[in-house]
Amino acid sequence: ELQLVESGGGLVQPGGSLRLSCAASGFTFSSHAMSWVRQAPGKGLEWVSAISGGGGSTYYADAVKGRFTISRDNSKNTLYLQMNSLRAEDTAVFYCARDIRTTGTSCFDHWGQGTLVTVSS
Amino acid sequence: QLVLTQSPSASASLGASVKLTCTLSSGHSNYVIAWHQQQPEKGPRFLMRVNSDGSHIKGDGIPDRFSGSSSGAERYLTISSLQSEDEADYYCQTWDAGIVFGGGTKLTVL
Repeated sequence: ELQLVESGGGLVQPGGSLRLSCAASGFTFSSHAMSWVRQAPGKGLEWVSAISGGGGSTYYADAVKGRFTISRDNSKNTLYLQMNSLRAEDTAVFYCARDIRTTGTSCFDHWGQGTLVTVSS
Repeated sequence: QLVLTQSPSASASLGASVKLTCTLSSGHSNYVIAWHQQQPEKGPRFLMRVNSDGSHIKGDGIPDRFSGSSSGAERYLTISSLQSEDEADYYCQTWDAGIVFGGGTKLTVL
């Protein structure tokens, strides 16, 4: 069974850092680009970042460029999001999502259950 | 600029049908989109991809009650024989240099 399980969320102070993980199983992880998508409380979905299957190409939304870093370890079937200089407006549930393609960004066909990040003093 | 526009809300009665619309911005009428469902307090679930010619490819386990279609720059999600569990937020998604989501439609089943 295909599974995406996020972890690493929690409460962090403004200016702080947090690293999210997404453990993948049930498919060939390296064959799929992966993305992080967030959802602020009561709001819609917002794409954050994507990474190609091999990890050589990364993409970021303007709102997080320079503060967040996406990476993956294909030997561990795990996707990461390093978040630095966190702001109150980064408070959201963060989802990882599987892309149907290996490179670039396209259609998501599987999602995780999400992990909550709260940025507050 | 690539933008997806959805009505904020829709409603229909139990057992009836409803058609949700996602509109692509000018110059992007040939783009493929995806529909995702998000039930309350849950993560999103992929429903289907809808092509510009109206053909669609559904995700695993998606009931036949869900179908997709297209007309020009509009992409549709039709849900027939509405059930209580269909009450959810529905998002369309497309892609270019990055990923774009519509604002979502909150469907209420009366």
